[in-house]
Order: sequence, then structure tokens, then C-alpha cells
Amino acid sequence: QVQLQESGPGLVKPSETLSLKCTVSSGSISSYYWSWIRQPPGKGLEWIGYMYYSGTTHYNPSLRSRVTISVDASKSQFFLKLASVTAADTAVYFCARGDDFWRGWGPGTLVTVSS
Amino acid sequence: EIVLTQSPGTLSLSPGERATLSCRASQSVSNNYLAWYQQKPGQAPRLLIYGASTRATGIPDRFSGSGSGTDFTLTISRLEPEDFVVYHCQQYGSSPYTFGQGTKLEIK
Repeated sequence: QVQLQESGPGLVKPSETLSLKCTVSSGSISSYYWSWIRQPPGKGLEWIGYMYYSGTTHYNPSLRSRVTISVDASKSQFFLKLASVTAADTAVYFCARGDDFWRGWGPGTLVTVSS
Repeated sequence: EIVLTQSPGTLSLSPGERATLSCRASQSVSNNYLAWYQQKPGQAPRLLIYGASTRATGIPDRFSGSGSGTDFTLTISRLEPEDFVVYHCQQYGSSPYTFGQGTKLEIK
């Protein structure tokens, strides 16, 4: 069963770029879609976007101007970059397998935006 | 964007009872593409149901989903102690994919 693990800085300054990595293990990154989803503390879930292993992407319009999802298939990793962050971007960020609904998730990583 | 409203916000029941959780969409969900997730504290969500009524692999048959169009229901037939957590609905019929705000199931 595929396993996912998020990693990256837990603290990002306002106006800077949030960068996270998701490492996929016990399975291939090829032939699947891969997504990012986030959850502000004590709040609901928000879909950020997905990409196909070949590079096709689709983003939530509310974040599209600031989001980039990319992949390094040779390392079984995919990435999230979110530019110009504010306190409203403070959340637990999850990576997951799938494009429209998600069977496998990483445990999540908390990213706090604060100076 | 489709807005999903879950009710109630909190549901207080006892182990062994039946739970009925509601998810109402602001417009019809295409192809009944509606999923349910269970989320335990400090953990990622776990897929329970997709396509409104199909149980995901390994999900006990006490969990069932129903509904169509704008009204969907997750039913837990006999509550076990580990079921008292948060449940989310999510639509994937149209982009952007959206979630409800969640229903917390608590022990009465």
C-alpha cells in the first residue's frame, strides 16, 4: 500500500513562499494523480490542487494565482509551493493520492505563517 | 462553487445507536460524486464512501451512504466507541472540489 509523507518548514514568514515536499513510498508515483489539501486549525478541509505524474495540473481557483504543484518522478516526490503567504495560510497541509477524491493520505504537516 | 452544509454540527449518541449524518449541496452534485471521510484527532481523513454509496476498501458494513442530487446521508448502523470522531462530506462532481464543515459525533 502506497505511503505518503509530507516534509518542509513548519514556520514561514508573511509574504514569503511556503514550500512542501511529499515523498511517496511502497508504490509508484507514475500513472496516478497526486493532490494537496489543507486544514486550518479547528476548521474544515480545502482542496488546493492536483497534478498528474506527467505534469498536468489543476488548481483551486481561489489559490491558482499563488500555487504551483510539481513532480520529480525519478525521486517519487511531488511538491507544493504557495507564494505570498499570510496568516490565513496557516494550516495542516496533507498530500494525497488521487485527483477528485482521496484514498491515501499523508499524516499532514502543520505550517504556521508568522513573523 | 458548490457549498456543502453538514448537519447537525454535533451529534450526541450512545454506543450501539444508529447515527444519521446529513450533507446538503447548494446545487446538484454531478453524477452523485459525493464522498465521506472520517477524521480522528491529529490524523488525516480516511475515505469511507465514494460515489455517494460505495464503501471504500476495508470499511465496515455498518457504514453506508445514500442520497442523490443535493441531499446525501451517511448512516452508521451500530455505533462503536471508535466511531465518535469527525465526519466530512466532499463533492467532486465539479471543480473546485469542496468539503462540508464537518459533523462531530460525540458520546452522550
